[in-house]
Amino acid sequence: GIQVEQSPPDLILQEGANSTLRCNFSDSVNNLQWFHQNPWGQLINLFYIPSGTKQNGRLSATTVATERYSLLYISSSQTTDSGVYFCAAVPRGNKLVFGAGTILRVKS
Amino acid sequence: DAGVIQSPRHEVTEMGQEVTLRCKPISGHNSLFWYRQTMMRGLELLIYFNNNVPIDDSGMPEDRFSAKMPNASFSTLKIQPSEPRDSAVYFCASSLFNLGQLAGRKDTQYFGPGTRLTVL
Repeated sequence: GIQVEQSPPDLILQEGANSTLRCNFSDSVNNLQWFHQNPWGQLINLFYIPSGTKQNGRLSATTVATERYSLLYISSSQTTDSGVYFCAAVPRGNKLVFGAGTILRVKS
Repeated sequence: DAGVIQSPRHEVTEMGQEVTLRCKPISGHNSLFWYRQTMMRGLELLIYFNNNVPIDDSGMPEDRFSAKMPNASFSTLKIQPSEPRDSAVYFCASSLFNLGQLAGRKDTQYFGPGTRLTVL
């Protein structure tokens, strides 16, 4: 089956810094989503982005489907950005396959 | 919209007991998913339904696990008998998706708050 790999596995930032999280997938996909799991465990949708670029406030994401990767940009990080960021891909049908996540800690 | 609703939020039980987790999807969504999250295995899909019909249950770990969706607004995941290794957070998610149609914005999956299960 499809492999979804995320990097880096963990990241510590000073508040105000920018960061880029990467997601590589081993096969073509119909769908790719980015999630933020907050410290309370809630999984929050960030982006639905099978291709192209989208922006939402300080966050943006780019997926290059032909090269099988997606990037999540966080600008001017805040302590509330802390948590785990997951990407999840749908190779076919409707089954999300999750990466292992990037643990982000933003220090004030 | 209230989002995906799960109950209970926390469950502590003893080995051998039956556990039933409940999920109410977002109104109008026709696909429902059960996921399990553990430190060792991360987030993994257990089963998903489309229009109340189980489509893929290949992720269900063993016969002790069963899931039902009697109608469009309710699903259960049952573990009988429960074992300590079943301890995990169980998430339910829903989306609007039709098999055979092209993927699009509508098949974004929305997750509930999860049920944290501890089996002693």
